[in-house]
Amino acid sequence: EAGVAQSPRYKIIEKRQSVAFWCNPISGHATLYWYQQILGQGPKLLIQFQNNGVVDDSQLPKDRFSAERLKGVDSTLKIQPAKLEDSAVYLCASSLVPSRAGNNEQFFGPGTRLTVL
Amino acid sequence: QKEVEQNSGPLSVPEGAIASLNCTYSDRVSQSFFWYRQYSGKSPELIMSIYSNGDKEDGRFTAQLNKASQYVSLLIRDSQPSDSATYLCAVKYGGSQGNLIFGKGTKLSVKP
Repeated sequence: EAGVAQSPRYKIIEKRQSVAFWCNPISGHATLYWYQQILGQGPKLLIQFQNNGVVDDSQLPKDRFSAERLKGVDSTLKIQPAKLEDSAVYLCASSLVPSRAGNNEQFFGPGTRLTVL
Repeated sequence: QKEVEQNSGPLSVPEGAIASLNCTYSDRVSQSFFWYRQYSGKSPELIMSIYSNGDKEDGRFTAQLNKASQYVSLLIRDSQPSDSATYLCAVKYGGSQGNLIFGKGTKLSVKP
């Protein structure tokens, strides 16, 4: 079974530029997550989709970050304009539809390492 | 404030020993708990999930959950140098559509 795919793996941009990341979840996983992981920290959720609807985007900095999952499969996360503090690894994860009893296991892609100069 | 606390380490154990990793969480209604392993420069890899009080064993790994004490741990038996990594504890908050809150991770070093 193929895992979560992400691209690009690395990106270097200058501040105030824009950048986009792409994610393809595990086949059959309706729920998709974008996380930001700063060096030395655990991942922090930015946005959660179920199919093509947003479940939680409370921690997404909406003045500069946007995300979409138009057909309920692939997703794109965009930053515009980027700031120095956006330097981090952006992780995409997917899961089956979660419930209190199960299906809560999330599987991560390889991540995109973003450096903002 | 939903929090997940882990000792950042590093935790150093000799090869063949038992490594014990601990995690506490702040929300007593949490129902789902996870341990992820993250090698340097790699993404987190799920190694254990636990939903009920008590122990859950999978190979050399045992997860232990005590909801009354709001405490979850991971034991690694017969530790190997290949187990050297950062171990992330994650707790699901907020019901069926809730989200994972991750601790900062404990760095484990297994010395040959």
